[in-house]
Amino acid sequence: DGGITQSPKYLFRKEGQNVTLSCEQNLNHDAMYWYRQDPGQGLRLIYYSQIVNDFQKGDIAEGYSVSREKKESFPLTVTSAQKNPTAFYLCASSTLVAAYEQYFGPGTRLTVT
Amino acid sequence: QKEVEQNSGPLSVPEGAIASLNCTYSDRGSQSFFWYRQYSGKSPELIMSIYSNGDKEDGRFTAQLNKASQYVSLLIRDSQPSDSATYLCAVNRDSSYKLIFGSGTRLLVRP
Repeated sequence: DGGITQSPKYLFRKEGQNVTLSCEQNLNHDAMYWYRQDPGQGLRLIYYSQIVNDFQKGDIAEGYSVSREKKESFPLTVTSAQKNPTAFYLCASSTLVAAYEQYFGPGTRLTVT
Repeated sequence: QKEVEQNSGPLSVPEGAIASLNCTYSDRGSQSFFWYRQYSGKSPELIMSIYSNGDKEDGRFTAQLNKASQYVSLLIRDSQPSDSATYLCAVNRDSSYKLIFGSGTRLLVRP
């Protein structure tokens, strides 16, 4: 089955710890994205990547880092510098031709206490 | 002013009725418009895209776009309880790959 997988579904961490969220796709999409969603809010773009070994900051990149070493994978690290890391994190992918038609993974709900 | 604005709802309609969801956007340069459906606790799912003024129909869904008024809407005909979800409007920002999302309208379809 083609799709986007994110793991884990739920993640709990103590304040001050870095945590890495996984995102893998087998859709052969070139572009991948990370969004954050807070309760009652829309999605906000953290980082996006259009090609391997290249990525750009979105609107709320502070306190986050990413890598794109493989086309299929786009992991997100939430660092201790992120002031309010508790949120629902969504990974998406798209082709470059239809970049705005983005397909989402199931999400990771991160709770930091 | 938010870049993409939606009424948070909830919009409550009886089963079988037409649900009308609205969205306004601020960037006159936006060219691409999308509706995503998000069930509680789940990820968004793309249900409609529209790029030119007028109506676009897909099954029970119709997207309407009016660029002059900077307004996009989604009509759901013959609403079903399974349509109960939050509907997110998304608009492209300039010529980048960025989508800007509204905060969503929660739709409740009463049996």
